[in-house]
Amino acid sequence: DVKVTQSSRYLVKRTGEKVFLECVQDMDHENMFWYRQDPGLGLRLIYFSYDVKMKEKGDIPEGYSVSREKKERFSLILESASTNQTSMYLCASSLPVTERNIQYFGAGTRLSVL
Amino acid sequence: RKEVEQDPGPFNVPEGATVAFNCTYSNSASQSFFWYRQDCRKEPKLLMSVYSSGNEDGRFTAQLNRASQYISLLIRDSKLSDSATYLCVVNEDTGRRALTFGSGTRLQVQP
Repeated sequence: DVKVTQSSRYLVKRTGEKVFLECVQDMDHENMFWYRQDPGLGLRLIYFSYDVKMKEKGDIPEGYSVSREKKERFSLILESASTNQTSMYLCASSLPVTERNIQYFGAGTRLSVL
Repeated sequence: RKEVEQDPGPFNVPEGATVAFNCTYSNSASQSFFWYRQDCRKEPKLLMSVYSSGNEDGRFTAQLNRASQYISLLIRDSKLSDSATYLCVVNEDTGRRALTFGSGTRLQVQP
């Protein structure tokens, strides 16, 4: 079974703090993704990575950065957290581009910024 | 305009009912299509892929209409355990690697 593990289920931070969300996958997947999910808006792609040290912006990268130093780990960084970054954050991984491109998700991190 | 649109629901149906969801997508070059299921406060999980010729998996049937750019999911003999949000998902370009998700349709099956 594919396992994608996010380091925290719930996180409470203050405005202006630097926040790290960690994600680890154990299936040797090349692709990793960070999404945020908000009511009525669905999942929106923040960043993705298709190889170690490679990254591409998704649809809403502003206010975020990422790091992929090892294949199994993909970190999302909020340089200076703001209240509008309160959300559910989901990490996913997948094999290289194939016809079907199935993604496997972690359990999510619910972040509250006060 | 959203790239993948779904009726948010909720669809409230009795056990044993048949229910269908539709989803429309805007990019005619989209390559592959999926339905994911998301339980309350849980992560999305793949329910089934959607093939051009239509496909069935037990009580679930998925169909694709490329000409009209919509995808459907039919659930027969609904169970209480089918209660969840169903996400329509599109791979717009095989080179992009990322998927585009609809906002989801919520289904509540009642006893």
